[in-house]
Amino acid sequence: DSGVTQTPKHLITATGQRVTLRCSPRSGDLSVYWYQQSLDQGLQFLIQYYNGEERAKGNILERFSAQQFPDLHSELNLSSLELGDSALYFCASSSRPGAEAFFGQGTRLTVV
Amino acid sequence: TQLLEQSPQFLSIQEGENLTVYCNSSSVFSSLQWYRQEPGEGPVLLVTVVTGGEVKKLKRLTFQFGDARKDSSLHITAAQTGDTGLYLCAGARGSGGSNYKLTFGKGTLLTVNP
Repeated sequence: DSGVTQTPKHLITATGQRVTLRCSPRSGDLSVYWYQQSLDQGLQFLIQYYNGEERAKGNILERFSAQQFPDLHSELNLSSLELGDSALYFCASSSRPGAEAFFGQGTRLTVV
Repeated sequence: TQLLEQSPQFLSIQEGENLTVYCNSSSVFSSLQWYRQEPGEGPVLLVTVVTGGEVKKLKRLTFQFGDARKDSSLHITAAQTGDTGLYLCAGARGSGGSNYKLTFGKGTLLTVNP
């Protein structure tokens, strides 16, 4: 158990819909990362937060947004969903940016 | 283009064999981490290397960081079926402060057959 909790574990939704993925980092970790993993693209960095503020952005689509709340949990919002958004979405946390990252078990999103 | 290139992409070997997988980049990293991921699970950290030329051993696994901190290798001795999984390398770099980015390679999918 990494100490990082992601909910839900599975999500099936229709194209055009909006979903919210939730992440609770390890106790004490201030940094949260979101990654998307698909078979052809591997683990793609989306966005990083540190203590509530956005710190780094990767290949995150404009239809996607995220935030980190004062209690340090984070949410990833995916809107106007397309079939190609189907993937595993991982959240990871670390004590500080660039340090060892601990991953949650992921949310498997299926867009039909 | 991928910042971190891992090779080979797939590797299937027999139990007891030795193997080496590689992680290469043209960029310099502050540190490099190796993770293993099993199906349906998140990646789990194996080791972090920080100093150029550093070698770390974890039982039958030997990790090396290149002198220039641009590449790394993972060597497994006498592979076991339990070593099966996706091996990912991740490089950490940033401009300091709190905006370090951890970038992953696509991984090497290792299958160890009994």
